[in-house]
Amino acid sequence: AQSVTQLGSHVSVSEGALVLLRCNYSSSVPPYLFWYVQYPNQGLQLLLKYTSAATLVKGINGFEAEFKKSETSFHLTKPSAHMSDAAEYFCAVSPTNNAGNMLTFGGGTRLMVKP
Amino acid sequence: EPEVTQTPSHQVTQMGQEVILRCVPISNHLYFYWYRQILGQKVEFLVSFYNNEISEKSEIFDDQFSVERPDGSNFTLKIRSTKLEDSAMYFCASIKSRVTDTQYFGPGTRLTVL
Repeated sequence: AQSVTQLGSHVSVSEGALVLLRCNYSSSVPPYLFWYVQYPNQGLQLLLKYTSAATLVKGINGFEAEFKKSETSFHLTKPSAHMSDAAEYFCAVSPTNNAGNMLTFGGGTRLMVKP
Repeated sequence: EPEVTQTPSHQVTQMGQEVILRCVPISNHLYFYWYRQILGQKVEFLVSFYNNEISEKSEIFDDQFSVERPDGSNFTLKIRSTKLEDSAMYFCASIKSRVTDTQYFGPGTRLTVL
C-alpha cells in the first residue's frame, strides 16, 4: 500500500519568493512520483514526474522536484513565484508493479502568491 | 494538443436517480481511469479499465458503480442509485501505455446529488 502526505494545506509566498511545497510518500515498492496542478474550475495538469531516471526532475512553468529516497520525499520547488502560480498542487504516487497504475494523491496544497 | 474531454461539466440529480458521466479519452490511449474528489478532500482512485475490463478498483467502487466503453471513443461511469455522498467532482484520465506513462486528466464533471 502507498500513501502521500503533503505538509501544509495552504502555503503563502510573495511574488518573486521561493516556492517550496512538501511531499512525503510511503510505498512498499519503488514508486513513480508526480506533481499535478489544478487551477480553479479546471482539471489536473501534470507538472512533472519521476520515473526512476534522474532524481532531479524539471517540469513546466519553472518547477522542479527532487526525489530523495532516504527521506522518502519529493518536494516541489520554484525559485521565483509568479502570480499565475496560484493554484492547488497535488503530489501523487504510483507503484511500479501495479497492474492498474492507479495514482494515490496527497491532500493537496493551495499556493497563494501575494503581490 | 489532444486532450481528455468530459460531459456534462455539471450535473444535478435527485437522490436515488441513475447518472451516467461521459468521457472521451485521448484517441490512441489504451488505459482509462475514473477518480473522484469530494469537496475539500483528496482526489481518490475509483477504477481502472483496460482491454474492455476492469483492471483494478477501489473499495469506493461498489455495486452501485459500473464502467463501460460502449464504442471506440467513449468511456462512461454509471452510478445506479445516487446517494448524497456521491456528490463530488469526477475526473476521467487516460494513458497510452502503463509503463512510465502519464495520466492525462479531463476537466471533470461536478455531480451534485440533492
